[in-house]
Amino acid sequence: DVKVTQSSRYLVKRTGEKVFLECVQDMDHENMFWYRQDPGLGLRLIYFSYDVKMKEKGDIPEGYSVSREKKERFSLILESASTNQTSMYLCASRGQGMVGNYGYTFGSGTRLTVV
Amino acid sequence: AQSVTQLDSHVSVSEGTPVLLRCNYSSSYSPSLFWYVQHPNKGLQLLLKYTSAATLVKGINGFEAEFKKSETSFHLTKPSAHMSDAAEYFCVVSPNTGGFKTIFGAGTRLFVKA
Repeated sequence: DVKVTQSSRYLVKRTGEKVFLECVQDMDHENMFWYRQDPGLGLRLIYFSYDVKMKEKGDIPEGYSVSREKKERFSLILESASTNQTSMYLCASRGQGMVGNYGYTFGSGTRLTVV
Repeated sequence: AQSVTQLDSHVSVSEGTPVLLRCNYSSSYSPSLFWYVQHPNKGLQLLLKYTSAATLVKGINGFEAEFKKSETSFHLTKPSAHMSDAAEYFCVVSPNTGGFKTIFGAGTRLFVKA
């Protein structure tokens, strides 16, 4: 069964800490995405990557960075965590080609609380 | 430009009765449309997708959706609700010509009463 695996289900961090959220996919997908999900705001795209070492800003990149050193791994980095980054973070991957032929595969999510 | 509107933020049905979750979209080109389901504290799971083939699309767990271009709708239905269907459902639109601009609807929370 194909999978997107997020390393942590629940995480509690202190304000100002550097936080790493890891995501690994085993489908050899070129495209990977990081979303955050908040009540009333739906899913918002933070960053995505369409190839190794390539990255593009999404709709809300401020306060975040990403790293894609290997095709299967896409990391989200909170340089200095703040309380307004408390959220559910979802990683997704998608194959290449016509978007219509591929849905996203999502990880189970990481619920991050910054105190 | 693309947009997607889920017409109901909450839907409540009794077990064994039909489910209808409504989704309207707008797109300046031929879109691909998806429905995802999210159970509490879980990621999103693909239910079904429309990619310009048959307009009636069957998905997992007995769900189906019909693409109606004239009405710009892609409503999700199921003949008989089960308690395990209680979850949040997202309608999603993507450009069929490639690119990364995927739009997620705000979600519809489905409640199923015993």
